[in-house]
This record gives sequence, C-alpha cells and structure tokens, in this order.
Amino acid sequence: KAGVTQTPRYLIKTRGQQVTLSCSPISGHRSVSWYQQTPGQGLQFLFEYFSETQRNKGNFPGRFSGRQFSNSRSEMNVSTLELGDSALYLCASSPRGAGQGIDEQYFGPGTRLTVT
Amino acid sequence: GDSVTQMEGPVTLSEEAFLTINCTYTATGYPSLFWYVQYPGEGLQLLLKATKADDKGSNKGFEATYRKETTSFHLEKGSVQVSDSAVYFCALSERSGAGSYQLTFGKGTKLSVIP
Repeated sequence: KAGVTQTPRYLIKTRGQQVTLSCSPISGHRSVSWYQQTPGQGLQFLFEYFSETQRNKGNFPGRFSGRQFSNSRSEMNVSTLELGDSALYLCASSPRGAGQGIDEQYFGPGTRLTVT
Repeated sequence: GDSVTQMEGPVTLSEEAFLTINCTYTATGYPSLFWYVQYPGEGLQLLLKATKADDKGSNKGFEATYRKETTSFHLEKGSVQVSDSAVYFCALSERSGAGSYQLTFGKGTKLSVIP
C-alpha cells in the first residue's frame, strides 16, 4: 500500500503571499490531520478532517485553513504568509473513524515551506 | 491541557550501549501513548504504541511500558546501532468530544550513535 504523499516537498514563498499544500492519505483512510513542525515550537496540531468535515482545530490563526475532498485528499491553505510560518508541514492519515478506539496516525514526508 | 515532557537532548551513545529516553505526560483522561521516530529529511514513523496502563509496546528492539501511576512511557533499547540515530518523539492521543483524536508531542530527543 502506498504511504501518505505530500506535494510539493519544498516551497519558497514571499511574505504576504498565500500557499496551498496537498496531502493524499493512505488508501482507505478517511481521517487526515495536519501538523506544523518548527525548531522553536516543535510539533503542533493544526486541524483534522474526516469525511470532508473539520472535526478538530488547533490554536492557529484564521489564516490557516484546510479542506478535504470526497476522495479523502486534503489541502491546507495559509494566506498572508508571515516569516514565522516557515516550517515543515506534516500530514497524517488514520484508518479510524469516530468512536473506533485508538487513532494511529501515519505521516507523510512533509512540505518544507520557507517564507522570505 | 494535555502535555508531554521528554528528556532534553542531544543524547550521544556508543554502538551497543543501552538507551533510555524518559517521557512523562499530563492528561485529563486515559490517553494512548506513542513513540515516533524521525530520520533526517523525513516525516514521522510510528515506532510503538500502548493503549492502556501496564501495556508494553515493542518494535525493532525498542520497548516502552505505559505506567499510569508515574504517568510515564520511557523508551528503552538494550543495544543501539548507528542506524538508530534519529529524533525520537513521545506523544499522547486523547479523544475529543467531536470524536477526533489529536497527537500532543514532546519536544523530541535527538539520538546520535557513534561506531
């Protein structure tokens, strides 16, 4: 089975621009979560989608948004980029739905975003 | 809120040495506990997990036991190899009211194993 794929792998943007990152989960996985990884703050949860609905959101400003499509693929968008948004953005998929016990998450390789 | 504290790194060991990376957690309920590993330039890989008290997770020679009384989940390996060099993250997962699970991570411990 193919793993979680993320595109692009690397991205350089300018302050004020917006960016869209893409994630394809493992086949059959309906839950997709996004995390931001920075040296200072570590790994922080952004949001989770299940069946095209956002089920949970972390403590990030409204500039960070996402969506999920009917095939479970997900995108996240960051508008009005700031220097502090430079990070590795990780997507994770999970085979579990609501109320089905522990939720193992399988991570993609990440998208390295650099804001200049 | 939930939190995970793991020992500060970096940790440098000689090949075949014994490894312990300490991890303690704070949670309101009964979380599942995980260790993830991140190799340079890659995403996170699930190393092992435990879902309830006294469970022992194990994989590739690594072990960790869910200790509810001490709220700990320390990672151990009897004999490390150079290929174990990576960053190790302890994490917990708790279900939210919406049926969602989110991972709360520790800061990570960088392990370097020298021949």
